[in-house]
Amino acid sequence: QKEVEQDPGPLSVPEGAIVSLNCTYSNSAFQYFMWYRQYSRKGPELLMYTYSSGNKEDGRFTAQVDKSSKYISLFIRDSQPSDSATYLCAMSGSNYQLIWGAGTKLIIKP
Amino acid sequence: SAVISQKPSRDICQRGTSLTIQCQVDSQVTMMFWYRQQPGQSLTLIATANQGSEATYESGFVIDKFPISRPNLTFSTLTVSNMSPEDSSIYLCSVDPDRSSYNEQFFGPGTRLTVL
Repeated sequence: QKEVEQDPGPLSVPEGAIVSLNCTYSNSAFQYFMWYRQYSRKGPELLMYTYSSGNKEDGRFTAQVDKSSKYISLFIRDSQPSDSATYLCAMSGSNYQLIWGAGTKLIIKP
Repeated sequence: SAVISQKPSRDICQRGTSLTIQCQVDSQVTMMFWYRQQPGQSLTLIATANQGSEATYESGFVIDKFPISRPNLTFSTLTVSNMSPEDSSIYLCSVDPDRSSYNEQFFGPGTRLTVL
């Protein structure tokens, strides 16, 4: 079993829809939870990070962490074609090393 | 933040040859990371490169296959040696310039390698 599981997709939704992206993990020592966005032919860039459990909102994006269920989510409201990208979750504990999900390819159809 | 460039952006190589990938950062950073990204798979850390010391390799990666140089605080190279088709992948370098507690990393655009 991988430490971090993420459905690779692709996930295709119409413009304006609410998107839900998810990761599950097995290591209860993880404390920092991140979402990176990667456009085609580019390197990943940090979108949001959350420490421990709870929600964090930034514009149209909301990151949610449920440590009891070992489950994290990224919600995108009012999705735009420019949101089409691969979204990777990443997490780390006290040892600083990032553990990555496989990435979910998201397609927003105009 | 940091701006990172990589050379080459892509290459097609023959089996048995070697390719050196360059990574240049616009600011001085202590730690640089080299990753491999294969289609449909997680980013896999190859090694961590600190200036002035030998790189630290992750399980499954060895110095003879992936030698790394780190001559100064803004530059690093990764060589993929004696290549086989299984080495076809995207290779990414990254840095954590602010030494944030959550290890925020800034990535280069990647080098897309195809081995025939």
